[in-house]
Amino acid sequence: AQSVSQHNHHVILSEAASLELGCNYSYGGTVNLFWYVQYPGQHLQLLLKYFSGDPLVKGIKGFEAEFIKSKFSFNLRKPSVQWSDTAEYFCAARGNQGGKLIFGQGTELSVKP
Amino acid sequence: EPEVTQTPSHQVTQMGQEVILRCVPISNHLYFYWYRQILGQKVEFLVSFYNNEISEKSEIFDDQFSVERPDGSNFTLKIRSTKLEDSAMYFCASSVVSETQYFGPGTRLLVL
Repeated sequence: AQSVSQHNHHVILSEAASLELGCNYSYGGTVNLFWYVQYPGQHLQLLLKYFSGDPLVKGIKGFEAEFIKSKFSFNLRKPSVQWSDTAEYFCAARGNQGGKLIFGQGTELSVKP
Repeated sequence: EPEVTQTPSHQVTQMGQEVILRCVPISNHLYFYWYRQILGQKVEFLVSFYNNEISEKSEIFDDQFSVERPDGSNFTLKIRSTKLEDSAMYFCASSVVSETQYFGPGTRLLVL
């Protein structure tokens, strides 16, 4: 069955701390992977995506993610978080021909100033 | 930058009433989607729409739900007879073929 799981429901960090949010997927066939962010009161915005090629992808606002096929993982990282990174983060997967996204549960990140 | 828009932002309705949620996808996009997120749960796929017909739907998308593209810009989700469990945030998304899906701000539906 297709599924995406995110390990952490709520992460609390102080500013300048490093961030890693876990994401594992189960998907038959070639997969496209995404991280979306939802700031308070705003809509889902794309942070970064992986379709193919270099497994280390860089996104907006200093975020990056690494696709590790052998571990079925696509963890999100940021070396130094800011208070403005407080948001909910969603990992999602779909087949490489497009179609529906399968979302993880979401991880709420709270950054203390 | 073009955005997906949704109206209304909030809707409160009585159980058994019909609701129509509206979306304006990005103008050159060809694929349209509806997702929903019940409070505290995952974002779930409902339906995708391409070339004026449903291309895929989930088991959630039963006969109570329908989608329509009534004109060249709007994409609507209708719930014929709302139930308490339909209370959720409903997101519209659009994309160009197999590219990234862009999401609207959502409509928060509360069924009383």
